Amino acid sequence: GDSVTQMEGPVTLSEEAFLTINCTYTATGYPSLFWYVQYPGEGLQLLLKATKADDKGSNKGFEATYRKETTSFHLEKGSVQVSDSAVYFCALTKRDSSYKLIFGSGTRLLVRP
Amino acid sequence: DTAVSQTPKYLVTQMGNDKSIKCEQNLGHDTMYWYKQDSKKFLKIMFSYNNKELIINETVPNRFSPKSPDKAHLNLHINSLELGDSAVYFCASSQDLAGGYNEQFFGPGTRLTVL
Repeated sequence: GDSVTQMEGPVTLSEEAFLTINCTYTATGYPSLFWYVQYPGEGLQLLLKATKADDKGSNKGFEATYRKETTSFHLEKGSVQVSDSAVYFCALTKRDSSYKLIFGSGTRLLVRP
Repeated sequence: DTAVSQTPKYLVTQMGNDKSIKCEQNLGHDTMYWYKQDSKKFLKIMFSYNNKELIINETVPNRFSPKSPDKAHLNLHINSLELGDSAVYFCASSQDLAGGYNEQFFGPGTRLTVL
């Protein structure tokens, strides 16, 4: 079945460091890809999305490019802040699975001042 | 104004009890979901409803019964609670089922602890 694999965390960075969180997927057809973020004690929020190959999603300085050839959707940010500390979830959805979101296991990011 | 609200926020109960979690959205969305997040943060869909109709039932034990009295509400009733039911349960909603583009809006979660 369809699945999403993320790098294990926690990822610990100093403020202003460059961030990459790896995400790869396995899916038939044409999934849409998402990054959701969960701040401590809160529900998930959509961070960015891409709906077809080569699309780049971006928001709040985060970016991810939908790479069909490598089945990847890696999350990047050029300069992280303490406020970016959270758990990041990569996810996919497809029309023929009733658009259910299939999540990766989440990657915890801790940014130190 | 809270877009997706859940009650209660915390629920502590004994094995074998029956409990309910309520969810309401004021976004005018047609589709609502229940997710379970386990202790390792792994998040998995349980159910989805579109306009009060069950769309997804993801091989959840039949002790779990969702109920949608109207499209703004999706409640989760759990019978005969077991230790393994301890988790954080998230409700979410989206505008509709059409397209893979819809953002899902999540509630703050209900932390269920079964003793």
